[in-house]
Amino acid sequence: DTAVSQTPKYLVTQMGNDKSIKCEQNLGHDTMYWYKQDSKKFLKIMFSYNNKELIINETVPNRFSPKSPDKAHLNLHINSLELGDSAVYFCASSQDYGTGAGELFFGEGSRLTVL
Amino acid sequence: DQQVKQNSPSLSVQEGRISILNCDYTNSMFDYFLWYKKYPAEGPTFLISISSIKDKNEDGRFTVFLNKSAKHLSLHIVPSQPGDSAVYFCAASRTSGYALNFGKGTSLLVTP
Repeated sequence: DTAVSQTPKYLVTQMGNDKSIKCEQNLGHDTMYWYKQDSKKFLKIMFSYNNKELIINETVPNRFSPKSPDKAHLNLHINSLELGDSAVYFCASSQDYGTGAGELFFGEGSRLTVL
Repeated sequence: DQQVKQNSPSLSVQEGRISILNCDYTNSMFDYFLWYKKYPAEGPTFLISISSIKDKNEDGRFTVFLNKSAKHLSLHIVPSQPGDSAVYFCAASRTSGYALNFGKGTSLLVTP
């Protein structure tokens, strides 16, 4: 049974479209994250939610809007997609946040290609 | 500004030998360090961690060494096995409520 699952795994779309990536964790964790791995392979934090509340919002364009309906879900919606948004997006969760994130559990990643 | 750096993009080691993966960090506030392993088409998985109060942590074939004065840590894998072939990410954070900062990863290839 997958601990952190994200869908879709692959997404190919045109510039200007709006798309969403969904993430669910069944670990009972309080904190969830979105990371972006770009073409240079850096894994960069985008957002972090703790118990449905936004904790971290790095310098991400406001075309990216995370939504956390409950603490087991953190979805990522992207408006007006641009070529530079092409990347692999990883969802992750951790038990809590106050102790330095600790061990993160990652999903398999969603590869977004913007044409 | 990349605060965690892995300057070797790749490393090739023979099976049975030691693999040493290196990581440097610039932020002196970091006090918690982790290594993650990633296979193709999978998410990173936690491997081993160390807090700044220690200079060594060992788990089976994996040992992480921390040199705070040099802001350097390394992961040793002994003996290396072909199944260890993967990308290894170094990560660091402060313990009081900050997200992990990842390096760029080092691709390890263990040859039979």
